[in-house]
Amino acid sequence: GESVGLHLPTLSVQEGDNSIINCAYSNSASDYFIWYKQESGKGPQFIIDIRSNMDKRQGQRVTVLLNKTVKHLSLQIAATQPGDSAVYFCAEKGRSNFGNEKLTFGTGTRLTIIP
Amino acid sequence: DTEVTQTPKHLVMGMTNKKSLKCEQHMGHRAMYWYKQKAKKPPELMFVYSYEKLSINESVPSRFSPECPNSSLLNLHLHALQPEDSALYLCASSPLTSGRPNEQFFGPGTRLTVL
Repeated sequence: GESVGLHLPTLSVQEGDNSIINCAYSNSASDYFIWYKQESGKGPQFIIDIRSNMDKRQGQRVTVLLNKTVKHLSLQIAATQPGDSAVYFCAEKGRSNFGNEKLTFGTGTRLTIIP
Repeated sequence: DTEVTQTPKHLVMGMTNKKSLKCEQHMGHRAMYWYKQKAKKPPELMFVYSYEKLSINESVPSRFSPECPNSSLLNLHLHALQPEDSALYLCASSPLTSGRPNEQFFGPGTRLTVL
């Protein structure tokens, strides 16, 4: 079956440094990927997305890279700030058994920014 | 209004109680979702409503009963729950724009504890 997984469950980064969060996916038919940020006590918040026909997409301080050859996704956060501390989930848009679109979330990486 | 609201924020109930979780959005989104999230785990899809009709039920036990009274409201009725049903219940909504992926917007969740 399809699965979305992350290489590291926790990551600690010095404030001001760059961070990279990785994600592996197994469904080569997936055509859309999203990164979500979830702070303690809150729901997931959309960060950035990328379609499978792209290799890279940049936002404000964030960049998502997609390597379809090895089915790997990464989120780069530049010049990290204390507010970046959260759990980050990658999600893959696939199809349910009934053919509807559905999101499948990876296991999550907890990013801690060290002051 | 660009947010999804959920009530209550916290709920404690016994195994014989009947309660309901409520979700509301006024972004004109025509898809609404219920997810269940256990501690330190990713959200897991439970139900999807498209145009107020149930389109996905991810084999959820019948003690969870969803309802979509109109395009802005989504309820989750709870009855005879088990302690293992304790979790954060997240609601999300998304537009149903054809031809492009649709971002899901999440509410803050209801923290449910079943005693």
